[in-house]
Amino acid sequence: DTGVSQDPRHKITKRGQNVTFRCDPISEHNRLYWYRQTLGQGPEFLTYFQNEAQLEKSRLLSDRFSAERPKGSFSTLEIQRTEQGDSAMYLCASSLLVHATDTQYFGPGTRLTVL
Amino acid sequence: DAKTTQPNSMESNEEEPVHLPCNHSTISGTDYIHWYRQLPSQGPEYVIHGLTSNVNNRMASLAIAEDRKSSTLILHRATLRDAAVYYCILRGNTPLVFGKGTRLSVIA
Repeated sequence: DTGVSQDPRHKITKRGQNVTFRCDPISEHNRLYWYRQTLGQGPEFLTYFQNEAQLEKSRLLSDRFSAERPKGSFSTLEIQRTEQGDSAMYLCASSLLVHATDTQYFGPGTRLTVL
Repeated sequence: DAKTTQPNSMESNEEEPVHLPCNHSTISGTDYIHWYRQLPSQGPEYVIHGLTSNVNNRMASLAIAEDRKSSTLILHRATLRDAAVYYCILRGNTPLVFGKGTRLSVIA
């Protein structure tokens, strides 16, 4: 299967710890997006990359959050000093932008629980 | 971002067609109309998108009003597997902005 993969699928951590998630996009896709989803809500945009350049960060993304896509392939999302409010599903999506719009393909998500 | 309005929930019988409406009166000329759906415990899944003309693919059809202020996602024969939250989103090449969507229930 060559879809978007995310690792880990589940993460339980204690408040104050740092966590890092990984996303492997579909090969050849030049865009990679991170979203966050809490229970009962639609996904919220966090940040996205075109190749290795981070093009936009949401105001939701506090300075405790950082994302990288070092070689324009996989991406990592790190949360420092986790808080209980960070508990959510973190979704990654990738796309190939060749025209005025793109189709995003989502991974299964990483569910974070902060105790 | 241009806003969309969708009913909170809809219900359909299995094997019947379903018409999911979306109003977007403030759509701009460059906005594409995208539909995604999210099945329980899964990430969102692309369904279809269009700009001005009606579109068909293996999953659904998208009917776009002539003035583009509304659109309808059509599932031709609903199955239990189509039970999901359906999101109508206006965008070009910007990130997806998800609203609350329409929760579709399919009754066997």
